[in-house]
Amino acid sequence: QKEVEQDPGPLSVPEGAIVSLNCTYSNSAFQYFMWYRQYSRKGPELLMYTYSSGNKEDGRFTAQVDKSSKYISLFIRDSQPSDSATYLCAMREAGNNRKLIWGLGTSLAVNP
Amino acid sequence: DVKVTQSSRYLVKRTGEKVFLECVQDMDHENMFWYRQDPGLGLRLIYFSYDVKMKEKGDIPEGYSVSREKKERFSLILESASTNQTSMYLCASSTGLKTQYFGPGTRLTVL
Repeated sequence: QKEVEQDPGPLSVPEGAIVSLNCTYSNSAFQYFMWYRQYSRKGPELLMYTYSSGNKEDGRFTAQVDKSSKYISLFIRDSQPSDSATYLCAMREAGNNRKLIWGLGTSLAVNP
Repeated sequence: DVKVTQSSRYLVKRTGEKVFLECVQDMDHENMFWYRQDPGLGLRLIYFSYDVKMKEKGDIPEGYSVSREKKERFSLILESASTNQTSMYLCASSTGLKTQYFGPGTRLTVL
């Protein structure tokens, strides 16, 4: 079993829809959780960064962490065609471990 | 803004060639990383470095080596390129335990 599981999709939604992207993990030591967005033929860019449990909101994006269920989510409200990309979750243990553990990424297409 | 640059966007090499991929960051980050990304396999860490002349193996170091002679520059070396090293190579940097910033990637094809 992989440490981080993420459904690769593809996910196809109409413009304006609410999108929910999810990752599950098995390592209870993970404390830092990230979402990256990767456009085709580009490097990933950080979208959201959260520590421990709870919600974080940034514009149309909301990140949620449920440590009791070992489950993280990224919600995109009022989705736009420019949101079409691959979304990768990543997480890290507390302490000095610099290594990130990555999900495989979910491919999202927002159709006008 | 953090800027991470990679020496080439696209590279085509022949089997057995020695290949150098270079990465430069301009934010004085002490940590630098090399990943490869393949469909269905995601991002896999090859090597990382947390200081000049320091390096640590990632999950798939076989067939690769690295060099970090200056803080801003981290090189990935394929000693003898093989077709199974055809991939997208991504460099990233970070400071402390903070998040990683990625370069645009190098798409390497080994024929």
